[in-house]
Amino acid sequence: ELKVEQNPLFLSMQEGKNYTIYCNYSTTSDRLYWYRQDPGKSLESLFVLLSNGAVKQEGRLMASLDTKARLSTLHITAAVHDLSATYFCAVGAQGTALIFGKGTTLSVSS
Amino acid sequence: DAGITQSPRHKVTETGTPVTLRCHQTENHRYMYWYRQDPGHGLRLIHYSYGVKDTDKGEVSDGYSVSRSKTEDFLLTLESATSSQTSVYFCAVSQGVNTEAFFGQGTRLTVV
Repeated sequence: ELKVEQNPLFLSMQEGKNYTIYCNYSTTSDRLYWYRQDPGKSLESLFVLLSNGAVKQEGRLMASLDTKARLSTLHITAAVHDLSATYFCAVGAQGTALIFGKGTTLSVSS
Repeated sequence: DAGITQSPRHKVTETGTPVTLRCHQTENHRYMYWYRQDPGHGLRLIHYSYGVKDTDKGEVSDGYSVSRSKTEDFLLTLESATSSQTSVYFCAVSQGVNTEAFFGQGTRLTVV
């Protein structure tokens, strides 16, 4: 059974500093997705990572995938208030629907 | 925008009553999913469909049934709602079973 773990679950960030969110999963997969959710809203796709070593960047966010370690990281560079949201990773294994982590809620303060 | 519409967006219902949530898509995605979102649990898969009349269970399927009689519609039914089914329900669609999924706006269901 595929399990997906994110940590930390809550992250209080200071503006201008760098942080990393981790997403570990339990079975072989080369498909990992990151989503963002603002309070009371739906999930918005951020990154699609489809192979070992994949790296994607958008603004202050960079996501990477290490399929051998079964680990993805979401790195935040110089946090700003606009990044306050909940971030989910989701893993797609062979023949299964996407399984989501519990989410990491980021709060950025000045 | 993946053309996904959920209805209703909000519903309050009484324990023991049946409830049906609807998901409608306009872009012919093969796969459709129902997830529920609860604090501390993230998103959990209830059921999904891989074609008309083809469905499978997810990790939290007890107390729920689904139907897909047309490509564009995926219905989630709570046969006899319980307070533990108070949640936000999201419909999602994708082209493949583990490809990028696109989400509807969600339905907030309260069972009193």
